[in-house]
Order: sequence, then structure tokens, then C-alpha cells
Amino acid sequence: AQSVTQLGSHVSVSEGALVLLRCNYSSSVPPYLFWYVQYPNQGLQLLLKYTSAATLVKGINGFEAEFKKSETSFHLTKPSAHMSDAAEYFCAVTDSSYKLIFGSGTRLLVRP
Amino acid sequence: KAGVTQTPRYLIKTRGQQVTLSCSPISGHRSVSWYQQTPGQGLQFLFEYFSETQRNKGNFPGRFSGRQFSNSRSEMNVSTLELGDSALYLCASSERLGQVHEQYFGPGTRLTVT
Repeated sequence: AQSVTQLGSHVSVSEGALVLLRCNYSSSVPPYLFWYVQYPNQGLQLLLKYTSAATLVKGINGFEAEFKKSETSFHLTKPSAHMSDAAEYFCAVTDSSYKLIFGSGTRLLVRP
Repeated sequence: KAGVTQTPRYLIKTRGQQVTLSCSPISGHRSVSWYQQTPGQGLQFLFEYFSETQRNKGNFPGRFSGRQFSNSRSEMNVSTLELGDSALYLCASSERLGQVHEQYFGPGTRLTVT
């Protein structure tokens, strides 16, 4: 069965610093992988997705993620954090029936 | 195009009551999925509807049910509410069944059970 592990329930960075949010997955089939962002009292917004094309995926708001099959990882990065990036981020994988399996989330705090 | 809309946005119910939540998908989208988000269990898939039929189901008790209408609008119902049903309920729509890579989420309905 597919699963997702997000390392670190909270990550704190200074404004302008590198953002790195970690995601490792388990899947018995080639996965589709996703990163979503959730702002307070809002739904989920898709940041980027990997669907077996290029392994380096660029998303919205300057985020990108690299699919590394050997490491079963799909870490999310952004070169320079902005205050508006403060939110909760979820990594997700599809299972064989095409429903989303989510990680437990990482709350990103951005210090001025 | 208008996004996915969910009504109501906030709801307070008493234990033992039942509740119905509504989701209107993006125009042209025929698949609607529902998810429950709680602090303890995180985001969990409830079910997916396509062409008025439930196609996928998560691991939730029978108190959780749903339906989809011919215009693709969907409702989910929770009967005999329990305190643990307090959650943010999200729906997501896509054009086709199982199209999770092209799925768009609504803002959610926050249900509080007292």
C-alpha cells in the first residue's frame, strides 16, 4: 500500500532563506506525487505534481521538487522564503485506485 | 470558471444529530471526491462519485454517506454525529473519474460537533 512520510511537523526559516520540506513515499507502482499548500481556513491548493515526466518539477510561487526514485523522496524546495509562504504543506501520493494518500503535513513558519 | 464551492462553510451540530454538506464542482467536472481533515488523523479520503455513482470508498463507517446529482453536485451526509466527526470536510472535483492529478479542492466546510 502507498504511504507518505513528511519529516518535521514544523519547519522554521528566516525570510530569504532556503525552504526545504521533506517527503518520502512508499509505493508498489510508479507513483504520482503531489505537494499541496493550505492557508488558514482554506482548502488545498496544488503547488506542483510529478506524473512520470521530468524528475525536476517546477510549481507555483517559486517552489520546485525533485523526484528521486532511488531515495523514494520528493522534497519540496524554494530558494528564498517569503512571509507569504507561511502555511501548512502536504505531500501526497496516489494509490492504485487513484485516491490521494496524504502525509501528516508540515507547518512552515517564516521569521522576519 | 468558478472554483469548487462548498456550503455551508461553518456548521455547529449536537452529538446524535445528522448533517448534510454540499459541494458544487467546477463547471464541466463530473467527478467529486470528499476528504476529512482532523488534527489527529490528518487528511483521509472518504469517497468519490462519478456519474451519480460511488466509485471509490475510504475506510469510514456507514454513518458517512454521499450522493451525486445529475448536474454533478454532490452531498455528503453524516448521521448520528459523534464528537470525533468534528473536522474540516473538503471536496475536490475533476473532469474524469480517478483524475487525481487534475483535481481542484474547495474551501471546505468546518463541522463542529458539541
